[in-house]
Amino acid sequence: DGGITQSPKYLFRKEGQNVTLSCEQNLNHDAMYWYRQDPGQGLRLIYYSQIVNDFQKGDIAEGYSVSREKKESFPLTVTSAQKNPTAFYLCASIAAPTSIGTKNIQYFGAGTRLSVL
Amino acid sequence: KQEVTQIPAALSVPEGENLVLNCSFTDSAIYNLQWFRQDPGKGLTSLLLIQSSQREQTSGRLNASLDKSSGRSTLYIAASQPGDSATYLCAVTAGTALIFGKGTTLSVSS
Repeated sequence: DGGITQSPKYLFRKEGQNVTLSCEQNLNHDAMYWYRQDPGQGLRLIYYSQIVNDFQKGDIAEGYSVSREKKESFPLTVTSAQKNPTAFYLCASIAAPTSIGTKNIQYFGAGTRLSVL
Repeated sequence: KQEVTQIPAALSVPEGENLVLNCSFTDSAIYNLQWFRQDPGKGLTSLLLIQSSQREQTSGRLNASLDKSSGRSTLYIAASQPGDSATYLCAVTAGTALIFGKGTTLSVSS
């Protein structure tokens, strides 16, 4: 079955540590996204990538980094510079970058819950 | 800057009741609007997508409407069931990514 796989489901970070969240999709989608969800805050965009080897910052990119070396993979690193990393992280993908008149549905992974030790 | 608001934040209804969830957005220049469902601790599942040129979309017991001029969308759920209990989020697309509301948490009691 096609879909988006996020791992691990739960992750714990120690003080000063960098951690990497995995996101893999087998939908052959061009664009991939990382969102952060906090209780009562809705989803906020961290980074997105529309093609391989290219990515752009979203609204809350500080303290995070990404790479897009393969079409199917878009890992997110939470660096030690992110002082409040505890949140639910969601990866998403879409067939092609959205534009007016398109009917592209965004698909989501099951999420990774990150906590600080 | 586009802002999306969902009212109410939480809603409790008895089984069988018809209900309406509301979503408003500040900038009418959108490509489309999507309604998602999120179960606790899970990812999002797309329910309905309405393109900017459309007025409504239907899927089973769900009907979503879009009024771009007033910046509003509604999600109508007919004959609610306990399995409908979840958080419902609306999101608009006007560029490269979605802008989400904070969601409405629905609880349907049997």
